Amino acid sequence: GQSLEQPSEVTAVEGAIVQINCTYQTSGFYGLSWYQQHDGGAPTFLSYNGLDGLEETGRFSSFLSRSDSYGYLLLQELQMKDSASYFCAQGPDRGSTLGRLYFGRGTQLTVWP
Amino acid sequence: DTGVSQNPRHKITKRGQNVTFRCDPISEHNRLYWYRQTLGQGPEFLTYFQNEAQLEKSRLLSDRFSAERPKGSFSTLEIQRTEQGDSAMYLCASSLGRRGLETQYFGPGTRLLVL
Repeated sequence: GQSLEQPSEVTAVEGAIVQINCTYQTSGFYGLSWYQQHDGGAPTFLSYNGLDGLEETGRFSSFLSRSDSYGYLLLQELQMKDSASYFCAQGPDRGSTLGRLYFGRGTQLTVWP
Repeated sequence: DTGVSQNPRHKITKRGQNVTFRCDPISEHNRLYWYRQTLGQGPEFLTYFQNEAQLEKSRLLSDRFSAERPKGSFSTLEIQRTEQGDSAMYLCASSLGRRGLETQYFGPGTRLLVL
């Protein structure tokens, strides 16, 4: 199955910028999504890249390069409330009617004051 | 609240018992997904419905698991003869079902503990 690699942990201070990378091995999918999950909470959709390039949504931006099998989530002006786990998710598969997403293991972001 | 809802939020059961979880998706969403998440892992796909049809089941879904979506609206996930390894967060998600655009919106999950 798909294998997505993310760093397990990232730390940063309030106001800083942090980039969470996601590399993958399998191509042939529609897009790369990013989800945020606070402890005990549900994954919340943040951003989606269907095409190569940068997508900006407020303080969060996401990037995809299919030629490099790589994407990232960029978080700017970090706030304490951004401390959470961040997951990249690949899918759905092209040429399929199925809509499943394949998730990475997640990156735990800790924001310090 | 128009988001995805799940009930119950928590379930503690003894090994060998049967449990059933319910998911109510966002009303206009055609697709419904069940995922399982254990500590330190991302969600893992279990099964998927397009309206009332169950189109895919993961190999993670043993014979003890069954899911239904009888009228294409809410869905239930039943686990029979629960085992301690079934302890996890069970997440439901829904999406519009527009090809190539599959933003999935997750419910709060049902946390299952099997003693």
